[in-house]
Amino acid sequence: EAQVTQNPRYLITVTGKKLTVTCSQNMNHEYMSWYRQDPGLGLRQIYYSMNVEVTDKGDVPEGYKVSRKEKRNFPLILESPSPNQTSLYFCASSFSGQGRIYGYTFGSGTRLTVV
Amino acid sequence: GEDVEQSLFLSVREGDSSVINCTYTDSSSTYLYWYKQEPGAGLQLLTYIFSNMDMKQDQRLTVLLNKKDKHLSLRIADTQTGDSAIYFCAETTDDTDKLIFGTGTRLQVFP
Repeated sequence: EAQVTQNPRYLITVTGKKLTVTCSQNMNHEYMSWYRQDPGLGLRQIYYSMNVEVTDKGDVPEGYKVSRKEKRNFPLILESPSPNQTSLYFCASSFSGQGRIYGYTFGSGTRLTVV
Repeated sequence: GEDVEQSLFLSVREGDSSVINCTYTDSSSTYLYWYKQEPGAGLQLLTYIFSNMDMKQDQRLTVLLNKKDKHLSLRIADTQTGDSAIYFCAETTDDTDKLIFGTGTRLQVFP
């Protein structure tokens, strides 16, 4: 089944403790992206990647890192999480260029709470 | 800059039609989308429309696009309780794969 898989689904952590949210897709998509969803703000793009070893900042990249060493994986790294990073996170992917036509395939989300 | 706006809430009676509205500012939008998010789930693409179209119909869903006013709407006919969800409009422009989302409209359907 074609899908985007995120792990974990739920995570509660403490301020300052490094964490990684994994994202994997099995569709051979070039384009991958991370969004965070906050009430009243919709979804805002954190980082995106056009292909392996090619990453770029989105609208709200502060406090996050990403890497794209393989085509299928696009982990989101919070080196020193803070409470304002408490949010619902989504990973998404598409074929490059076709994302403009068909939209993205989204993962099921990761609900992160930083205390 | 890019900005996509929606009203936050809509409440309708089961069987009535729902109309969810969206406005956007970027005149270079090429595709516009409607996504549905059910509680605890990811985003599901419902439908999309190319910017040179005025209307698209898909079963109970009708999308209307007024490019002059930069206004997009989603009409759901015969709304059911299973339609209760958050609906996001989104756009892409002709030079990027980036999806720009609206704030989302929470649709509540009551019996």
